[in-house]
Amino acid sequence: AQSVSQHNHHVILSEAASLELGCNYSYGGTVNLFWYVQYPGQHLQLLLKYFSGDPLVKGIKGFEAEFIKSKFSFNLRKPSVQWSDTAEYFCAVKGYSGYSTLTFGKGTMLLVSP
Amino acid sequence: DVKVTQSSRYLVKRTGEKVFLECVQDMDHENMFWYRQDPGLGLRLIYFSYDVKMKEKGDIPEGYSVSREKKERFSLILESASTNQTSMYLCASSSPFDGGNTEAFFGQGTRLTVV
Repeated sequence: AQSVSQHNHHVILSEAASLELGCNYSYGGTVNLFWYVQYPGQHLQLLLKYFSGDPLVKGIKGFEAEFIKSKFSFNLRKPSVQWSDTAEYFCAVKGYSGYSTLTFGKGTMLLVSP
Repeated sequence: DVKVTQSSRYLVKRTGEKVFLECVQDMDHENMFWYRQDPGLGLRLIYFSYDVKMKEKGDIPEGYSVSREKKERFSLILESASTNQTSMYLCASSSPFDGGNTEAFFGQGTRLTVV
């Protein structure tokens, strides 16, 4: 069975600090990888995704993530966070088949102080 | 703009009631999913459906059932609501095609409180 582990449950940063959120997955095959974000009071939104090709993917709002196949990791990064990045971040994995389901990590709550 | 719409944003129900959560998508997607979201537990898959009248159990199906009579609509049913089913419920849909490179689109969620 596929699973996702997010390293941190809560992260507190000051504005302009750099961010890295860890994500490791377990799956015995080709994967699609995702980071979703949920801002306070809003619905889940896709931040970025990896399907194939360049392992460094860029998403919205200056976020990027790097797929390291040998480490089964897909860490999320941002060089300089803003107060508006305060949100909960979820890493997710899906098998390559179009009929695979999406498995989420437990989420990381990021609080950015101004 | 793609859209997954859940019928209610907030619901309060009594223990033992039968509860229906409705979800409609306008993207002609074959796949639809129901998740529940709880603090510290992330999103957990309850049920999913690959096509009309088809359903598969997810990771936590106990106490729930689903119905998919039309392609665009996927309903989650709590046969007899209990307080431990108080949660945020999220519906999602996706297409199975495009070589497997598909993302899921989520509704805004229904926050259900069972008292």
